[in-house]
Amino acid sequence: GQQVMQIPQYQHVQEGEDFTTYCNSSTTLSNIQWYKQRPGGHPVFLIQLVKSGEVKKQKRLTFQFGEAKKNSSLHITATQTTDVGTYFCAGDNDMRFGAGTRLTVKP
Amino acid sequence: DSGVTQTPKHLITATGQRVTLRCSPRSGDLSVYWYQQSLDQGLQFLIQYYNGEERAKGNILERFSAQQFPDLHSELNLSSLELGDSALYFCASSDFGNQPQHFGDGTRLSIL
Repeated sequence: GQQVMQIPQYQHVQEGEDFTTYCNSSTTLSNIQWYKQRPGGHPVFLIQLVKSGEVKKQKRLTFQFGEAKKNSSLHITATQTTDVGTYFCAGDNDMRFGAGTRLTVKP
Repeated sequence: DSGVTQTPKHLITATGQRVTLRCSPRSGDLSVYWYQQSLDQGLQFLIQYYNGEERAKGNILERFSAQQFPDLHSELNLSSLELGDSALYFCASSDFGNQPQHFGDGTRLSIL
């Protein structure tokens, strides 16, 4: 069945550094969604990508959907301590979440 | 506030017992999802309901069952509990399938 793999599993950065997490699917996705879960909190929806090659930005966050609609990335420019948390991608109807990337930021 | 309500927030019980977790979806949402999140782990999709009908099934154990009622609230029943069932159980809702999900605060289940 469909699998969504997310890398890296952990990422520790210095405040101000950039951060990128990648999501890869074994099958073509109709859409992909990104969520953020703060420590002790629940996942919160960030964005949904639907079109091949789509790029969306939210302030310092840039989301991309691959041309083949099998991969996606989330890039954070100049991380801040408020970016700390686990970032999940989820694909398609059966909502298989990736394992998530846990981001820690050192002030 | 996501609009999704989960009760109880915490549940402590013993092995072999049975518990019921409840979820009230966001107003207007027809689809409900259940997830299990073990300590420092990802989100394991359990099951999805849409307007009262089972829509998709994930890695849900036979000891677990769920349903969605006519008023659209949902319950997740966990029976013959084992220590490994200790986890955070999230409910999420969306207006229909394949749309962004809104998560509740979760129910933390501890098996002693």
